[in-house]
Amino acid sequence: GAVVSQHPSWVICKSGTSVKIECRSLDFQATTMFWYRQFPKQSLMLMATSNEGSKATYEQGVEKDKFLINHASLTLSTLTVTSAHPEDSSFYICSARQGFVPNTEAFFGQGTRLTVV
Amino acid sequence: AQKVTQAQTEISVVEKEDVTLDCVYETRDTTYYLFWYKQPPSGELVFLIRRNSFDEQNEISGRYSWNFQKSTSSFNFTITASQVVDSAVYFCALSASTGFQKLVFGTGTRLLVSP
Repeated sequence: GAVVSQHPSWVICKSGTSVKIECRSLDFQATTMFWYRQFPKQSLMLMATSNEGSKATYEQGVEKDKFLINHASLTLSTLTVTSAHPEDSSFYICSARQGFVPNTEAFFGQGTRLTVV
Repeated sequence: AQKVTQAQTEISVVEKEDVTLDCVYETRDTTYYLFWYKQPPSGELVFLIRRNSFDEQNEISGRYSWNFQKSTSSFNFTITASQVVDSAVYFCALSASTGFQKLVFGTGTRLLVSP
């Protein structure tokens, strides 16, 4: 099956620094990628939808300047948490869909556990 | 608006018991897709099943089975003869057929299978 690789798996950073998370589709072209955030013992909340070559569409309440998303190619999307603070500590998961074909499952990355100290 | 409700926060069973995880959804779309994912302690999401809104056939895959009923907007998941390795959080999700087809997740059900 299709594989989505997310890197890093975990990261610890100091408060005030920025962290970049990569999401790659390894064996298919991902026209659309999604970024989710999951707090401990909670559900996945969609943060934004990114389409290759265009600006990301953010969900209500998600700060665009805080969570920068870039989808520069059909196989790579990045999420940068800028000026991270302890409250940004969370599990971030990306997913990718192949083209706009309906009824296809979203393939998920392994997730990135971010801890801001 | 789309919404997925998993009323069972946590379920504990003993190995070999059958267990059913409930999922109720809301959508105004006539065509939509329903999913179940498993999230083990490692955190990655494991795809289990996808079902189209126009296909109400129940499905069985090994010890797993799914019961889709449009009349009650439910898509329940049953594990037969549960095993310790089934312990995980299970998410039900809904996707529209249009737009970016983003997934809306339920709050998840934590299943604990004891030996």
